[in-house]
Amino acid sequence: DIVMTQSPDSLAVSLGERATINCKSSQSALYSSNNKNYLAWYQQKPGQPPKLLIYWASTRESGVPDRFSGSGSGTDFTLTVSSLQAEDVALYYCQQCYSTMCSFGQGTKLEI
Amino acid sequence: QVQLQESGPGLVKPSQTLSLTCTVSGGSISSGDYYWSWIRQPPGKGLEWIGYTYYSGSTYSNPSLKSRITISVDTSKNQFSLKLSSVTAADTAVYYCATYYYASGTYPYWGQGTLVTVSS
Repeated sequence: DIVMTQSPDSLAVSLGERATINCKSSQSALYSSNNKNYLAWYQQKPGQPPKLLIYWASTRESGVPDRFSGSGSGTDFTLTVSSLQAEDVALYYCQQCYSTMCSFGQGTKLEI
Repeated sequence: QVQLQESGPGLVKPSQTLSLTCTVSGGSISSGDYYWSWIRQPPGKGLEWIGYTYYSGSTYSNPSLKSRITISVDTSKNQFSLKLSSVTAADTAVYYCATYYYASGTYPYWGQGTLVTVSS
């Protein structure tokens, strides 16, 4: 099994300030064949499905504001919101698939 | 752009089988580009991966649910389905269908989700 652990569970940040969410995986996300980390981040707002923000640990999905960035390698990853906007209030999840199984972190609630 | 829509009963009795269908539009389920997936979210809780299937019929599922899950694909209708047997209140959740894009290891497209409540 693959276990994803996020920290913190909730986070309150002032508008315009930086928010940092961590994700630790029980299995390495790094594929040596192409040196890419198969770790993704999603944003979920109430009543909506999750929205893909970041893939390959640090590549922003098309249309995602550049205040969102991802970093990390192997088993430890970080999502950073550089300057929090009101519309960024949401739940954030990391996700990884390993072998034939996928898993999500438990989620981090980002508030103002 | 691929669009997904879940359908099925919103209320299922305990011990019965939950059955949901996901209709795909904007793309062919036989294209081979994606794995076709189910993910659920109990009220107020996080996301749980249920499993996915490929157009060929290959299926992979969460070991914690594997004995109760059947995921199948109907290429003629451009649909895929989930059956979860012997349900209990713990299976109450919003069920999402989604596409798994193996090239990036991500779920880029999601249905809106459907709430299934297990109750007598």
